[in-house]
Amino acid sequence: DQQVKQNSPSLSVQEGRISILNCDYTNSMFDYFLWYKKYPAEGPTFLISISSIKDKNEDGRFTVFLNKSAKHLSLHIVPSQPGDSAVYFCAASASGNNQGGKLIFGQGTELSVKP
Amino acid sequence: EPEVTQTPSHQVTQMGQEVILRCVPISNHLYFYWYRQILGQKVEFLVSFYNNEISEKSEIFDDQFSVERPDGSNFTLKIRSTKLEDSAMYFCASSLPQGFQPQHFGDGTRLSIL
Repeated sequence: DQQVKQNSPSLSVQEGRISILNCDYTNSMFDYFLWYKKYPAEGPTFLISISSIKDKNEDGRFTVFLNKSAKHLSLHIVPSQPGDSAVYFCAASASGNNQGGKLIFGQGTELSVKP
Repeated sequence: EPEVTQTPSHQVTQMGQEVILRCVPISNHLYFYWYRQILGQKVEFLVSFYNNEISEKSEIFDDQFSVERPDGSNFTLKIRSTKLEDSAMYFCASSLPQGFQPQHFGDGTRLSIL
């Protein structure tokens, strides 16, 4: 099941610089996209989301961009901090505006922010 | 901040035994989910639950699996006769009933089948 793909298993960034995490999807029925952050021995923590009617959503240091024609989304973290070091998962849902839709996850990208 | 809690954090069970994983979703959430992550693989959907019935289930969720909301706070996943391949992290999640709401996850139960 490759409906959601994160092609970079890891990313290393210097503290203070921008981190850009990428995600591609194949299912054009997806209409809600989310980014989760995961530390070892913890569950995924919700970071930010975007619905398909938007192309950008911003929350503090985190911005998600959606390019529907390219079936691509990205998460920008500016400025990156050492505490941002974690595995980041992209997820998508095709539930329409109905709740309860299952999430399809990417493989994750491990971000390392170096002091 | 309200959170989803899961117990136990680690469960070790002999193959063929029944296991029950427990979850307390966030109190005003009405949709509940189970996901699992086998070591080295993606997080994958098992089942969603709303209004005391299953909304959707994956092909993984066969007759060996069942879910229940036995009271107003708990949500459980039962595996009747465990197999070695059931070894995984099992995550419970919940969400609000309105549209485009994120699912919030617990810290998971690590299930080890011997």
